[in-house]
Amino acid sequence: DVKVTQSSRYLVKRTGEKVFLECVQDMDHENMFWYRQDPGLGLRLIYFSYDVKMKEKGDIPEGYSVSREKKERFSLILESASTNQTSMYLCASSLIRTDYGYTFGSGTRLTVV
Amino acid sequence: AQSVTQPDIHITVSEGASLELRCNYSYGATPYLFWYVQSPGQGLQLLLKYLSGDTLVQGIKGFEAEFKRSQSSFNLRKPSVHWSDAAEYFCAVGLSFGNEKLTFGTGTRLTIIP
Repeated sequence: DVKVTQSSRYLVKRTGEKVFLECVQDMDHENMFWYRQDPGLGLRLIYFSYDVKMKEKGDIPEGYSVSREKKERFSLILESASTNQTSMYLCASSLIRTDYGYTFGSGTRLTVV
Repeated sequence: AQSVTQPDIHITVSEGASLELRCNYSYGATPYLFWYVQSPGQGLQLLLKYLSGDTLVQGIKGFEAEFKRSQSSFNLRKPSVHWSDAAEYFCAVGLSFGNEKLTFGTGTRLTIIP
């Protein structure tokens, strides 16, 4: 069964910490995405990557950066965590064409205190 | 740019009753359309998709959806809901060409009452 694996289900970090959220897919997908999900706001795209070392900003990139050194791994980095970054973070991957849709990971619930 | 509207934030349905969740999209051409389900604390799972052809598509868990071009809609239906269907449901639209991102609706939360 194909999978997108997010390294942590729950994380608690302190304000100002540098936080790494890791995502690995085993489907040889070209595209990978990071979303945050907040009640009433749906899924908001933070960053996406369509190839190794390639990235594009999504709708809400401020306060985040990403890294894609290998095709299967896409990392989301919070350079200096703040309480307003407390959220559910979802990673997804897809083929280049959109007709297969996305495969999502189980999510990481991050709490910044 | 394409957009997706799910007009119902929250719907409550009795177990065994029928269900219809609404989804409207705005896009110039025929898009690809998807429905995803998210159980509490989980990621999103693909329920079904419309790419072309037959406008009534069947998915997993007994769900179906109908693409109506004239109404720019892709509503999700189930004839008889089960308590396990309680979840959040997301409609998404994608371009039928190129390498473009899916656009998601804001979701509809479904509550099932006994």
